[in-house]
Amino acid sequence: QKEVEQDPGPLSVPEGAIVSLNCTYSNSAFQYFMWYRQYSRKGPELLMYTYSSGNKEDGRFTAQVDKSSKYISLFIRDSQPSDSATYLCAMIRQGGSEKLVFGKGTKLTVNP
Amino acid sequence: EAQVTQNPRYLITVTGKKLTVTCSQNMNHEYMSWYRQDPGLGLRQIYYSMNVEVTDKGDVPEGYKVSRKEKRNFPLILESPSPNQTSLYFCASSLVGSAETEAFFGQGTRLTVV
Repeated sequence: QKEVEQDPGPLSVPEGAIVSLNCTYSNSAFQYFMWYRQYSRKGPELLMYTYSSGNKEDGRFTAQVDKSSKYISLFIRDSQPSDSATYLCAMIRQGGSEKLVFGKGTKLTVNP
Repeated sequence: EAQVTQNPRYLITVTGKKLTVTCSQNMNHEYMSWYRQDPGLGLRQIYYSMNVEVTDKGDVPEGYKVSRKEKRNFPLILESPSPNQTSLYFCASSLVGSAETEAFFGQGTRLTVV
């Protein structure tokens, strides 16, 4: 079983839709959970991070972590064509290890 | 502006011809790493460095070398490139000691080995 699983998509939605992106993981030692956004021909950039379980909201974006289910989600409300990108989940174990473990990424297209 | 700079952005080379991809960061970060990104496989860590003169293997180190003689620079060396090293490469840096710290990525180097 891979440490982090992420559906690669592709996912295509109309503008204004609510988008749900998800990752599952197997290692309960993960404590910090992040979402990176990667535009075509660019490097990944941090979108949101969450520590342990719970929700975090930033504008149209909400990150959720359910540690009991080993499941994290990113919701995008009122999606825009500019949200079209690949979204990668990433996790770090507790203890200050700096190694990010990435999901493979989900490619999202928001159609005008 | 905080940034990680990689060069070159695009490179086509022939099998066996040694090459170096440079990486430089201006944020005084201790931690730097190299990833390769391949379709269907995602980002995989090649090597990382916790500080000057401290480097270690990541998940896919075979065929690569790195050095960390200065804090800001972390070059990736392919001594004898092969076609299976054709990939998109990213350098990243972050602070050590805080798992919350954002990893900053370079713009990527697209390498083709023929």
